[in-house]
Parts: sequence; C-alpha cells; structure tokens
Amino acid sequence: SQQGEEDPQALSIQEGENATMNCSYKTSINNLQWYRQNSGRGLVHLILIRSNEREKHSGRLRVTLDTSKKSSSLLITASRAADTASYFCATDPRRGSRLTFGEGTQLTVNP
Amino acid sequence: DTEVTQTPKHLVMGMTNKKSLKCEQHMGHRAMYWYKQKAKKPPELMFVYSYEKLSINESVPSRFSPECPNSSLLNLHLHALQPEDSALYLCASSHVAGGGNEQFFGPGTRLTVL
Repeated sequence: SQQGEEDPQALSIQEGENATMNCSYKTSINNLQWYRQNSGRGLVHLILIRSNEREKHSGRLRVTLDTSKKSSSLLITASRAADTASYFCATDPRRGSRLTFGEGTQLTVNP
Repeated sequence: DTEVTQTPKHLVMGMTNKKSLKCEQHMGHRAMYWYKQKAKKPPELMFVYSYEKLSINESVPSRFSPECPNSSLLNLHLHALQPEDSALYLCASSHVAGGGNEQFFGPGTRLTVL
C-alpha cells in the first residue's frame, strides 16, 4: 500500500469554512511535505515539516505532525473557491531518497 | 526564474511512433525527476537524475528512455508505447536529490497513446 494515505478522499465545503485533511504513513520519515494540484496541472509545494517539528504555519495553512501516530494534518482556514484542488502529502522515508505521495484529497470549495 | 517548463503540453501518438518529451529548468537545480500520473491517482516516480547521472530507475519499461543532456534539460524518449501508457507526465526539479527537498513541478505533458 501507499506510504502515505489520506482521508478523506473527497471533501466539499462552503467558502469561508475550514478544511482539514489527514495523512497517515507507515515507516519512519525525515520530513513530510504537502502539495496542491489544480486539475490536470503540475503540483505546487505548500509546506514542509521536519520530523522534529510538531506544527508549522504558512499563511492560511497549518500543518501538524505526530510521529508517534505516524500522521499529519493540513488545515486550510477561511477557504476560498480558488483553494479547490487535490492535496497530496508526500513523505521522505528515512531509508530512501525518493518522495512518496499519498492518494490525495480532492477538496471542493463552493462559492 | 522559478519555473519548470515542459513541452509539448499535449501529445497524441500511435503505438509505432517515436516521440520525445522535454523539460527545462533554470534554477540551478541538480536533481530532475520524471513522474507518471494517471487520473485521480498520485504521481508515481519513474526516474531521478542527480548531477546529470541517472540515479533511480523505478523499474520502468525500456520503451521509456530518459536522457539528461545537461543540468538544465531533461528528456523522455518514447517508443512503442501501449495505450495504458496514456497519462500525465510530470517533470520536477529540486536543489539536490533526496526527499528532503522541495520539488518544483512543470505543468505536465498529457500523453494519449492510440
């Protein structure tokens, strides 16, 4: 199975609401990254959190990491229609040099 | 310039054709990647080049042949593809190879194999 698994698979909210996406992984990691992908386009890096960090903020984004539970969450506050996209977590396993992407969460923000 | 460019944007080819996908970056990155992405699935790593040398080949069929002519360019040569190879092909680059680095992605080439 995937190193990173995300839930929910799909999330639909109204503009202004907060959106929370979760990512779970199986092996020890050096860091975890979140990426956004608009439909049919390339991925855009959002934020990187290292294994010794518990929380990180960037604008309306808040990422948490719980290495004991092997899980991370991405919170988007005050969502906008432009936030509609797929969101992927990506892990950097300690015993590897490649980035492994989770299955992704499709977020739809309705105006 | 923080952009990764890919050409062409769309490509339709028959199973007997030979074509190439091109990727370019001018950020001075020394690692470049090819990913394949099927609809509603995450990107799957195909190849990694580090300092212009192939460092990772994820058991990709030989009908896909990567090439890194210099530190700014990455090609993917396609020959005798199958319809199941139809996908979005993404190029990415990072400062150096390794999962601890932010990767910058191009917009992708949408490939259709007839």
